[in-house]
Amino acid sequence: AQKVTQAQTEISVVEKEDVTLDCVYETRDTTYYLFWYKQPPSGELVFLIRRNSFDEQNEISGRYSWNFQKSTSSFNFTITASQVVDSAVYFCALFGGTSYGKLTFGQGTILTVHP
Amino acid sequence: DTGVSQDPRHKITKRGQNVTFRCDPISEHNRLYWYRQTLGQGPEFLTYFQNEAQLEKSRLLSDRFSAERPKGSFSTLEIQRTEQGDSAMYLCASSLSFYEQYFGPGTRLTVT
Repeated sequence: AQKVTQAQTEISVVEKEDVTLDCVYETRDTTYYLFWYKQPPSGELVFLIRRNSFDEQNEISGRYSWNFQKSTSSFNFTITASQVVDSAVYFCALFGGTSYGKLTFGQGTILTVHP
Repeated sequence: DTGVSQDPRHKITKRGQNVTFRCDPISEHNRLYWYRQTLGQGPEFLTYFQNEAQLEKSRLLSDRFSAERPKGSFSTLEIQRTEQGDSAMYLCASSLSFYEQYFGPGTRLTVT
């Protein structure tokens, strides 16, 4: 069975603060993929990043960065200098190599960035 | 707009009624997924199609639920004899590969 845990239900920050969203996963598959999605109030899930289990390099894209650590089964997401437009629900998700691409999502973290 | 589209965007129905939702994937995508998202939770997988073949179904998909993709293009999800517990957002996603799913805007179902 696969499981994704996002321990932070809600985070509230003031604009320009850095914020890290935590994600811990469980899987028995040796090949798997991890994802982060953003869900703004409009409801549509927006893809942010994908990492495979063989690539532990951290990645930076503008104000976003991701830290993948296999040793701790974590895939954390950091927003630097947060902005009001970052306010959304963020989901971490996983699929293992044997599951037809079926995504297992965490419960989500509601991020509110105040001006 | 060439993204995934879903119709209707909102549906209010009375308990016991049947409802049908439609998903139009991105045109060249052969893989199609349905997920259900209840309030405050992450999406949960319901079913997967590759072309017209339904290859995987979740145990969440009770016998009141049926999904089709008759010509490998659009898909429908039908819920018979709706219950209040069926109230949720129903999300459709499509992809060419396993690891790049594009989601539609969802259909929000409210059962009264």
